[in-house]
Amino acid sequence: NAGVTQTPKFQVLKTGQSMTLQCAQDMNHEYMSWYRQDPGMGLRLIHYSVGAGITDQGEVPNGYNVSRSTTEDFPLRLLSAAPSQTSVYFCASSFSGENYEQYFGPGTRLTVT
Amino acid sequence: AQKITQTQPGMFVQEKEAVTLDCTYDTSDPSYGLFWYKQPSSGEMIFLIYQGSYDQQNATEGRYSLNFQKARKSANLVISASQLGDSAMYFCAMRDHTGNQFYFGTGTSLTVIP
Repeated sequence: NAGVTQTPKFQVLKTGQSMTLQCAQDMNHEYMSWYRQDPGMGLRLIHYSVGAGITDQGEVPNGYNVSRSTTEDFPLRLLSAAPSQTSVYFCASSFSGENYEQYFGPGTRLTVT
Repeated sequence: AQKITQTQPGMFVQEKEAVTLDCTYDTSDPSYGLFWYKQPSSGEMIFLIYQGSYDQQNATEGRYSLNFQKARKSANLVISASQLGDSAMYFCAMRDHTGNQFYFGTGTSLTVIP
């Protein structure tokens, strides 16, 4: 099993550019999520999905879009990047329910200039 | 509203000693899950231990144990016999009763001194 994979590992964008962060898992998890990690802030939930075709907002959804067309994939889209979106982004997956731990991808370091 | 509070930004511990990392949480959910994760300098997030809100016993996983005090809403991580490889950031997290919302604390940086 590859677990949770994310691409790219690093990305530099100019303000206003768009891009998609890719996330895939091969553990047949229903639940997938995106977080951003900023210094001193811990990880904050951006969007999550409980299955194909079902997505919802987390704590900090503004400026980000998601979709879930398959169980395996959960891409995160930045439509018009802003410097405030400079962060490390983590994708995670798990079985649904309060008692399951999440498995995290390696992260994507995004810089918006 | 902040759901998870970790009041120790940085901690030091001597090798082979035990250390307690504090975590308090705030929820009115009837049930929830509590988790600890480790983030080494390489950046990956590593799951350490889980405690369910209805579990009567404190969770243990090897050298990790979770001191769960439900009435105080605290879920402290205890690492016994610290090793140099334990130097990392440690995050406390809570998953709500729906399983959909996951809240992290701001983390504690642990340094193990030889």
